[in-house]
Amino acid sequence: DQQVKQNSPSLSVQEGRISILNCDYTNSMFDYFLWYKKYPAEGPTFLISISSIKDKNEDGRFTVFLNKSAKHLSLHIVPSQPGDSAVYFCAASVNGGNKLVFGAGTILRVKS
Amino acid sequence: GAVVSQHPSRVICKSGTSVKIECRSLDFQATTMFWYRQFPKQSLMLMATSNEGSKATYEQGVEKDKFLINHASLTLSTLTVTSAHPEDSSFYICSAREDARNSPLHFGNGTRLTVT
Repeated sequence: DQQVKQNSPSLSVQEGRISILNCDYTNSMFDYFLWYKKYPAEGPTFLISISSIKDKNEDGRFTVFLNKSAKHLSLHIVPSQPGDSAVYFCAASVNGGNKLVFGAGTILRVKS
Repeated sequence: GAVVSQHPSRVICKSGTSVKIECRSLDFQATTMFWYRQFPKQSLMLMATSNEGSKATYEQGVEKDKFLINHASLTLSTLTVTSAHPEDSSFYICSAREDARNSPLHFGNGTRLTVT
């Protein structure tokens, strides 16, 4: 049972445009959500997080939106840069706890 | 920022041998560290939670006798894959977080294990 789903295995975006990565979850107990970026043969790097008490969190070019009623979150990257090309994982936890449940990831390719 | 160091980055071993992977938190103390496994084109799956000074907590389906975890200090956890088989070939990643609620997990760079 996949509790965190990233339904788009890949996304291709032109440099300078907006990248929108989506994530859906089924467990209503999740209250803390994170996005990680991963390059091949490296560990994931933390990007941005959001608590369920918020619906938006912004950090530079990265913004995460949370829609609790739809159990949906998204990561917006604007403007997209070629260096943003990587696999992006959405993750969630209960009560800000230690156990993160990851989605399967979305490969983002930013074309120059 | 917080850094987690994992060693080795890559290891090839023969079937039946054991392999030890180290995970260190370099600039913070972590009473808890986590071991994940990633199969090709799949998500990271939590294998076990490593607790300093006590036994690790394993996720369902993970053999504790096969994946031995030792959390010897507040900055070091080790994962030993015992009697490795080709199906154990995978990408193993450790992570740790500073002891604060809602602080993000920081990941090591992973270990690519290939069992021949």
